[in-house]
Formats: sequence, structure tokens, C-alpha cells
Amino acid sequence: SAVISQKPSRDICQRGTSLTIQCQVDSQVTMMFWYRQQPGQSLTLIATANQGSEATYESGFVIDKFPISRPNLTFSTLTVSNMSPEDSSIYLCSVARANYGYTFGSGTRLTVV
Amino acid sequence: GQQVMQIPQYQHVQEGEDFTTYCNSSTTLSNIQWYKQRPGGHPVFLIQLVKSGEVKKQKRLTFQFGEAKKNSSLHITATQTTDVGTYFCAGLLLKGAQKLVFGQGTRLTINP
Repeated sequence: SAVISQKPSRDICQRGTSLTIQCQVDSQVTMMFWYRQQPGQSLTLIATANQGSEATYESGFVIDKFPISRPNLTFSTLTVSNMSPEDSSIYLCSVARANYGYTFGSGTRLTVV
Repeated sequence: GQQVMQIPQYQHVQEGEDFTTYCNSSTTLSNIQWYKQRPGGHPVFLIQLVKSGEVKKQKRLTFQFGEAKKNSSLHITATQTTDVGTYFCAGLLLKGAQKLVFGQGTRLTINP
């Protein structure tokens, strides 16, 4: 299965600032997925990032708050903008592999103070 | 919207007891996947079920996909302390954009 390097692994940020999370995949993939997992909760899809086109956002998530870049087939970034304490969560990137499900990055644990 | 419901939310068992978690979708699924997340870790893929009525086994774990491709279960026989974690089912929608919808997860704790 794919190997995904995600960073930072954790961060503590001041409210009103922005944090960019990076994910690097060891092989080319068409789609990358960004999820949010609040403490003790399930995973919620934020958006799907395709190379060469704008990301597709799920209901409740908007580009101004969570801008995504996908400059090539192995890399993507998610920015959490103008953060508030409600954005404290774990953010995960993932890719799909036929018959092998989704592979997830190790996650970014974000705390906004 | 599409939902995948999973029960129970929590399960505590004695080591050696069996454990089952159930998953139900409001719509027919293309496939269903199961993941395990250890405390502090990220979800790790366990298995994918595609066919109606499919049953797959991985050692002490048995996975089933319902005939209508709307429900699924994971059964662990004779739990061990290494089974501790949260088990998520995730359904891939049959129609529309490829989107994996996760159930709420079942957190399994084990008394040694």
C-alpha cells in the first residue's frame, strides 16, 4: 500500500492564525482526500483534491476556510485559515488503493488556543 | 445525506470473550471497508467487502456484507488485548463521486 508522509504531526496555534498541513505520497495518485476527526469522533470528509482542478468540498466546508492545493500527483496541502478553538481536531490526508482501501497519513493534531 | 450507522458505540469485554460491531447504511453501497484505529494512531485498513453476502476471515476476525449491500458486521472471536482500539466501518457510495463515508466507530476495550 501507499506510504504517506504528513506534517506537522501536531501544532498549537493562536486563534486567528492559519496552519498549512502537507501530505506527500510515495507514488502518483489521482485523488487525495482530506478528513477531519474530532476527539473521540468519527472521520468526516472535508474535501477531495484532484490534480489540476479545484478541490471538491463537502457540505459544511468551504474553500475560504480550508483552501487546498494539489500541485502534482504526489503532493497536497490543506490550510486551516483564521483558526478558532472549534478547529481543534485531527486532520488526516488519505489516498485510495484499489482493493486495499484507503491509506491514511499519520495525522496532524491541531490545538487552537 | 448518506449515512452509515454503527453500533455499539462502546464495548468492554473480558479477554477471551467475543466481540461484534454492526454497520448499517441508508443506501446501497458499492463496497464496505473496515478500519482499526489504535489509541493515538490513524485508521488502518483491515478489509474490503464487495459482493452481496460476502464473508471474509482474517484469523480471529470475520467480516460479513449483507445481501442487500447495506449492512455489515465484524466479529472477533476470543478477543486479545492487542484487539483494543476503535473499529470503523466505511461505505463507498454506489452512485456519484467516489466518497468513503465512515460509521461512528465502536471503541473496544478489554479487561485482561
